[in-house]
Amino acid sequence: AQSVSQHNHHVILSEAASLELGCNYSYGGTVNLFWYVQYPGQHLQLLLKYFSGDPLVKGIKGFEAEFIKSKFSFNLRKPSVQWSDTAEYFCAVLGSNYKLTFGKGTLLTVNP
Amino acid sequence: EAGVTQFPSHSVIEKGQTVTLRCDPISGHDNLYWYRRVMGKEIKFLLHFVKESKQDESGMPNNRFLAERTGGTYSTLKVQPAELEDSGVYFCASSQDLKETQYFGPGTRLLVL
Repeated sequence: AQSVSQHNHHVILSEAASLELGCNYSYGGTVNLFWYVQYPGQHLQLLLKYFSGDPLVKGIKGFEAEFIKSKFSFNLRKPSVQWSDTAEYFCAVLGSNYKLTFGKGTLLTVNP
Repeated sequence: EAGVTQFPSHSVIEKGQTVTLRCDPISGHDNLYWYRRVMGKEIKFLLHFVKESKQDESGMPNNRFLAERTGGTYSTLKVQPAELEDSGVYFCASSQDLKETQYFGPGTRLLVL
């Protein structure tokens, strides 16, 4: 069975700090990887995705993630966060059964 | 293009009552998914429709949950009778193809008292 582990439950940063959110997955086959974000009062939105090709994926709002197959990781990064990045972030894997398996989510609070 | 919509946005019911949640997927999306997030836990898959057919309902908790997708358009998820542990946020998502991005609706917050 596939599983996703997000290392941090709650991360608190000041504006302009760099961000890295950890995500590790467990799945033996070919995976498609996603990061979704839920801003306060809004619905889940796609931040970025990896299907194949370049393991460094760029998403919206300056976010990027790197797929490292040997480490089963797909960490999310942003060089300089803004107050508006305050949200909950979810890592997810889509396996051959076509259903998403999510991590528990990481709540990011960015203080101005 | 309209996104995935869900109704109602919130529902508060008493244990033993029935609640029906509705999801309208993005037009043209054959794949429709239901997920649930119980407080403090991860978002978990409930079931997957391809058009009007149930492709995978392995995540449905028990037979108190019934999902339908009439004519391959909107879907309903009925909980009857509701129990306290059914409280949570129910998300619907849709995708055009099986391995494509799933687009999520705003969710329905269900509270069973």
